[in-house]
Amino acid sequence: DIVLTQSPGTLSLSPGERATLSCRASQTVTSNFLAWYQQRPGQPPRLLIHSASFRAAGIPDRFSGSGSGTDFTLTISRLEPEDFAVYYCQQYGSSTTFGPGTKVDI
Amino acid sequence: EVQLLESGGGLLQPGGSLRLSCVASGFTFNNYAMSWVRQAPGKGLEWVSHISSSGDITYYADSVKGRFSISRDNSKNTLFLQMNSLRAEDTALYYCAKKRDGLRPGEFDYWGQGTLVTVSS
Repeated sequence: DIVLTQSPGTLSLSPGERATLSCRASQTVTSNFLAWYQQRPGQPPRLLIHSASFRAAGIPDRFSGSGSGTDFTLTISRLEPEDFAVYYCQQYGSSTTFGPGTKVDI
Repeated sequence: EVQLLESGGGLLQPGGSLRLSCVASGFTFNNYAMSWVRQAPGKGLEWVSHISSSGDITYYADSVKGRFSISRDNSKNTLFLQMNSLRAEDTALYYCAKKRDGLRPGEFDYWGQGTLVTVSS
């Protein structure tokens, strides 16, 4: 199975700042089949990005995804109060696995 | 509006069985593959099982293979997860999730609120 590692574990920032989250895969992710989710407390995950860089329907353009192969990045250009949450990456090039998450807090 | 409503969770002893259901609305259910994803209390996400739109192809995580069985009834817009030989480590919130497109397990664009399964003696 492909193991995903996310860093940092926790990112402490303020509203208006830029957030950069990393996801590294133990093997090349086929066809860059990499997704990002946001999960707020008490809520199910919400799909933000699929295929590494494509925003899901209704997702604000302050969220962007990049990367290929084994290294991927989620960038939030200017943090809004509702963006403080846990973010998971998921690969689906070989079966599917999730990363352990990055918590973005104030 | 897409809605996924899970039910069937509960408290049971190790070795027991449970059947989860997920009723879908707001989209053409028989056009989409579906999955179950679980989240242990305070932990991350773990994909459990996946089924094709027609129900003829299924996938399982190694941790549940041989114990869990996924199925669907497209006439009732309902997804199921039959869980047997339950263990303490199966304790989690179980989410029903809709695949965005395509057959294989992958990106999920809609999720239910989850149903809690607790396995404890």
